[in-house]
Amino acid sequence: NAGVTQTPKFQVLKTGQSMTLQCAQDMNHEYMSWYRQDPGMGLRLIHYSVGAGITDQGEVPNGYNVSRSTTEDFPLRLLSAAPSQTSVYFCASSRPGRSYNEQFFGPGTRLTVL
Amino acid sequence: GENVEQHPSTLSVQEGDSAVIKCTYSDSASNYFPWYKQELGKRPQLIIDIRSNVGEKKDQRIAVTLNKTAKHFSLHITETQPEDSAVYFCAASSYNQGGKLIFGQGTELSVKP
Repeated sequence: NAGVTQTPKFQVLKTGQSMTLQCAQDMNHEYMSWYRQDPGMGLRLIHYSVGAGITDQGEVPNGYNVSRSTTEDFPLRLLSAAPSQTSVYFCASSRPGRSYNEQFFGPGTRLTVL
Repeated sequence: GENVEQHPSTLSVQEGDSAVIKCTYSDSASNYFPWYKQELGKRPQLIIDIRSNVGEKKDQRIAVTLNKTAKHFSLHITETQPEDSAVYFCAASSYNQGGKLIFGQGTELSVKP
């Protein structure tokens, strides 16, 4: 199993550009989430999904869109990038149920917005 | 919504000493409390977790305690080693919230040889 994969690893955007961060998992996990990590602020939840067709907002959803058309994929879209979105983005997945709460993280995408 | 506070933000100990990191949470519905370790440039990885029906859990040199009444939980690392140097994050969640985690701000642990 590849686990959770993310592409690209690095990206530089100009203000106003749009892009999609890709996330995929091959563990048949129903739950998937997106976090951003900024120095001194830990990991903050952007959006999450409990299954295909179902998404919900996290702590910092503004400026980001998500969709979940399949169990495997959970892309994160930046419609008009801003310098405040410069960050490291992590995707994570987990199984539902009381005994399966561990979230598995992808390797991250480092995004710089100029 | 849930809010998790973590202290201290930095912690420096001598090799062999113990390290303690503390977190508080706000939502009494939270019932799952994991701890993640993140080495420089790497992804967070789970090191230990505890559920609300348990007060303490140990795994070799690592232990976590939970006080539901006070809404706080702590990570204890004994006999620290240089390879324990990393950033540690606590988090809180509940089983019926889709597994979403709310993280603390992180603690940078430095173990000096």
